[in-house]
Amino acid sequence: ETGVTQSPTHLIKTRGQQVTLRCSSQSGHNTVSWYQQALGQGPQFIFQYYREEENGRGNFPPRFSGLQFPNYSSELNVNALELDDSALYLCASSGTGGNNSPLHFGNGTRLTVT
Amino acid sequence: GDSVTQMEGPVTLSEEAFLTINCTYTATGYPSLFWYVQYPGEGLQLLLKATKADDKGSNKGFEATYRKETTSFHLEKGSVQVSDSAVYFCALTRGNTPLVFGKGTRLSVIA
Repeated sequence: ETGVTQSPTHLIKTRGQQVTLRCSSQSGHNTVSWYQQALGQGPQFIFQYYREEENGRGNFPPRFSGLQFPNYSSELNVNALELDDSALYLCASSGTGGNNSPLHFGNGTRLTVT
Repeated sequence: GDSVTQMEGPVTLSEEAFLTINCTYTATGYPSLFWYVQYPGEGLQLLLKATKADDKGSNKGFEATYRKETTSFHLEKGSVQVSDSAVYFCALTRGNTPLVFGKGTRLSVIA
């Protein structure tokens, strides 16, 4: 069974640039969630995708957007990067049991904005 | 809104010591409660969970009991090992809501 994989593992961008982070969900999982984990903090929910549609969003501005593809892989796009966007971005996949299905997390992408 | 409060870290223990990490929550209804662990350089792994009051979740020697009367879900382990050094996150969901995490508690176990 292949777990959740994220790419790249590390990324350095300049303020104002755009970034795309990628996630391959665990086999058999059709729901993908993205979380932002700032240094020393717990993960904060960004949004969730189910069958290629966004079906939940946290308190993040519209410059955070996403996609889910027919194979259930996903992208997180962030436009107009700000210094405070520096964080570990975690992708998690789950099955069809709603939010009580266990989340399987990837190892994350460490984004640094300078 | 829903929230989770964990004890401040870091927590430093000697090997074989007893561990308690406190977690309390605020949520309407009957949330499900979780403990996740994050080892250095890795994502989060589910450690244990409990879905209703008085349930006890357990895994790898860790356990936590869902206490509705005190809105708590404290994590315990009788004898910690160096390999338990990690950051521990308490979290909740109300089934139709995404996971809400606490800020995490860093545990360091020294030999």
